[in-house]
Amino acid sequence: ETGVTQTPRHLVMGMTNKKSLKCEQHLGHNAMYWYKQSAKKPLELMFVYNFKEQTENNSVPSRFSPECPNSSHLFLHLHTLQPEDSALYLCASSQVVGTSSYNEQFFGPGTRLTVL
Amino acid sequence: QKEVEQNSGPLSVPEGAIASLNCTYSDRGSQSFFWYRQYSGKSPELIMFIYSNGDKEDGRFTAQLNKASQYVSLLIRDSQPSDSATYLCAVNIRAGGTSYGKLTFGQGTILTVHP
Repeated sequence: ETGVTQTPRHLVMGMTNKKSLKCEQHLGHNAMYWYKQSAKKPLELMFVYNFKEQTENNSVPSRFSPECPNSSHLFLHLHTLQPEDSALYLCASSQVVGTSSYNEQFFGPGTRLTVL
Repeated sequence: QKEVEQNSGPLSVPEGAIASLNCTYSDRGSQSFFWYRQYSGKSPELIMFIYSNGDKEDGRFTAQLNKASQYVSLLIRDSQPSDSATYLCAVNIRAGGTSYGKLTFGQGTILTVHP
């Protein structure tokens, strides 16, 4: 595997289900991100993990719960979602050096989530 | 005012022409700027980044940055139908004293290159 991978690629779930999205990066990076992309809206940053520690939670509802067990893996746990949460969920990774803002991020293929 | 603003388009150019995509940003202290290409149904792909004022060229792509005007652009020379996609501008916006790891995206410009 190369780059950033995400599973599953497509997910349909009911509002009462619990599911998890998985992301793995094979680039040796130390930071990972979750983004949400809805139709007609800009990419929205949800969470940032830097050196496995969460450094950003962009006012995301608690029904989304991230987990980063190591610098290569990132999960997004989903429970009691709403239909408006249907979107493309993208994972990205980058190499952050100190507090440098020079930060090329590379995206995985995304998980297309539909909440019924 | 949006933090990162792009014309949503669509921008339509004939094959072989120059496509010009524009982006403005609100944070004067921003230091790094990125252009991503996103094909329909796919994830964003990084195509250019620029950190210093002026032009940066890579093949048919040229990124231009003017920090005084808070403006970054992407030129695509000899446009091809395969360049038809949504182009996303992303800026490293400072927030809470640190900006590392935080990109803010524009809404994207849809480019169509017609034969």
